[in-house]
Amino acid sequence: SQELEQSPQSLIVQEGKNLTINCTSSKTLYGLYWYKQKYGEGLIFLMMLQKGGEEKSHEKITAKLDEKKQQSSLHITASQPSHAGIYLCGADVTPKTSYDKVIFGPGTSLSVIP
Amino acid sequence: EAQVTQNPRYLITVTGKKLTVTCSQNMNHEYMSWYRQDPGLGLRQIYYSMNVEVTDKGDVPEGYKVSRKEKRNFPLILESPSPNQTSLYFCASSLSRRTGYGYTFGSGTRLTVV
Repeated sequence: SQELEQSPQSLIVQEGKNLTINCTSSKTLYGLYWYKQKYGEGLIFLMMLQKGGEEKSHEKITAKLDEKKQQSSLHITASQPSHAGIYLCGADVTPKTSYDKVIFGPGTSLSVIP
Repeated sequence: EAQVTQNPRYLITVTGKKLTVTCSQNMNHEYMSWYRQDPGLGLRQIYYSMNVEVTDKGDVPEGYKVSRKEKRNFPLILESPSPNQTSLYFCASSLSRRTGYGYTFGSGTRLTVV
């Protein structure tokens, strides 16, 4: 199994509905990144979380890193068609060393129906 | 505009014909990396570079080469492409390994090897 898992794999929601995407690591997370990818295009950085319990928001998207630092959730409030795409979490899973490896989850595909 | 530029966007080639995918960033970033994205496997790191003339293998380096002669450029070389290298490739850069700003990704290169 992958070191970083995301759930659900895909999601279809009605416009205006709230939704949550989860990212779970088998290792302690030293940094957690959320990216959005439009189909077939590059990834756009959304936000980074480092401290257990940390929560950040950008427009209608809120991400939180749990206290034990092995899971993060991404919550979208009042979804819009512009939120559609693939959401990927990326994680630093090594403590401070000369090289920090960032691994990525498989992604969650989000479709928003008008 | 700050960006990572990859070329070409699309490439179809034949087995064994050497090719180079270029990557250039205009943000004076030290760190650059190549990833490939495959369905069900997510993003996997091929090679990375901490700075000029400093490169190292990622998780899936077999069949690839890179060089970092200048800070802005980080080309990916496939000396003898094979069909299992058909994939979507992304170049990414960041100011340093732990910036809190995440990576800036290129738009991707979709490679098909027949």
